[in-house]
Amino acid sequence: DAKTTQPPSMDCAEGRAANLPCNHSTISGNEYVYWYRQIHSQGPQYIIHGLKNNETNEMASLIITEDRKSSTLILPHATLRDTAVYYCIVRVAEAAGNKLTFGGGTRVLVKP
Amino acid sequence: DAGITQSPRHKVTETGTPVTLRCHQTENHRYMYWYRQDPGHGLRLIHYSYGVKDTDKGEVSDGYSVSRSKTEDFLLTLESATSSQTSVYFCAIMAREDNEQYFGPGTRLTVT
Repeated sequence: DAKTTQPPSMDCAEGRAANLPCNHSTISGNEYVYWYRQIHSQGPQYIIHGLKNNETNEMASLIITEDRKSSTLILPHATLRDTAVYYCIVRVAEAAGNKLTFGGGTRVLVKP
Repeated sequence: DAGITQSPRHKVTETGTPVTLRCHQTENHRYMYWYRQDPGHGLRLIHYSYGVKDTDKGEVSDGYSVSRSKTEDFLLTLESATSSQTSVYFCAIMAREDNEQYFGPGTRLTVT
């Protein structure tokens, strides 16, 4: 699976959009971009994933650049409950066992 | 909630003793996973299972064994616990509905 690079931490204001970048310059054509988050002491929570088109669900939007070498997770209206570590992962969706490889993630602090 | 429970939730044990952690799921998912998470790090895969009696190693499998005699239970055993195995252990399943991984609440293990 391709390696990802994320900033170690970022702050954002409550009610504002939070834009979390991820670089994955070695991504392969059949690898998807996944985002998970981990709220303190809990198990990771799936947020969203995409291949090349932008995706949106009830939690977030995922913007993938045309060359697929980077992406941005957008939390449209951050709340205090969005404070968590956010992990960007790239992997082949149908790989045997669908194993996830977690990096260091971005620690997001939402401030009032 | 993917119906995943882990037991025990907390355990303190002494170096050299055997320890077994249990992951239980109620929704008959085929794939199950064990990860460990150390302070300030992302999750690392220990072992995974793709069916009853079918298991494979992850990136940090040394010192751990697993068993899956029933679809609903995936056991992780530390044959002889060491202080380096002090960690938080997360179990996960891959849901067949969406091929995403969902995580249990975690087990905090301390080896003294």
